[in-house]
Amino acid sequence: ETGVTQTPRHLVMGMTNKKSLKCEQHLGHNAMYWYKQSAKKPLELMFVYNFKEQTENNSVPSRFSPECPNSSHLFLHLHTLQPEDSALYLCASRKDPSADTQYFGPGTRLTVL
Amino acid sequence: DQQVKQNSPSLSVQEGRISILNCDYTNSMFDYFLWYKKYPAEGPTFLISISSIKDKNEDGRFTVFLNKSAKHLSLHIVPSQPGDSAVYFCAASVSRAGGTSYGKLTFGQGTILTVHP
Repeated sequence: ETGVTQTPRHLVMGMTNKKSLKCEQHLGHNAMYWYKQSAKKPLELMFVYNFKEQTENNSVPSRFSPECPNSSHLFLHLHTLQPEDSALYLCASRKDPSADTQYFGPGTRLTVL
Repeated sequence: DQQVKQNSPSLSVQEGRISILNCDYTNSMFDYFLWYKKYPAEGPTFLISISSIKDKNEDGRFTVFLNKSAKHLSLHIVPSQPGDSAVYFCAASVSRAGGTSYGKLTFGQGTILTVHP
């Protein structure tokens, strides 16, 4: 248990659906991240939020839309996804950008049909 | 261009023996390195780290070695236990503030370690 929770843990959606992934941390951290892990690939950084402000968008398609309403919550809104977007989506948090390590949630396994 | 590489997709070791997981990097700006461990259906958990000012860091059964000239690091687990069976990710970052890469972690693709009883 790392103190970072993600819901749902599994999600199956069609290409025309709209869904959202939720991440919550109770660690008092100020930096939050979305990563994508596809099969046999490294974790790919998608978005970075520092003190609720988006500081990085790693060339992510606009069908992925992040939202950080406060320092404890991070959302990833999904719409008109493609089958190749099927992956494990991991949220992580860090005390601040200078802290040594990130703490990861368990991930959401997303399948796009 | 993959800046952090783990060239062995899998490693199989007998219980009690040493496990050595390797990682290579290409970006000379990286100055902080971490190892994460991931069990199925869980997120990665931090295992051990090393700063570029050191060449070795030890924590119990886990030791990380850094060879800056070769841009290579390795994780040694001794003695290996069946509970160590997991995917191990190497990650690197630039810890100096001000650069565009500040605070970002770049991961390798992972090595699946299996420790047999």
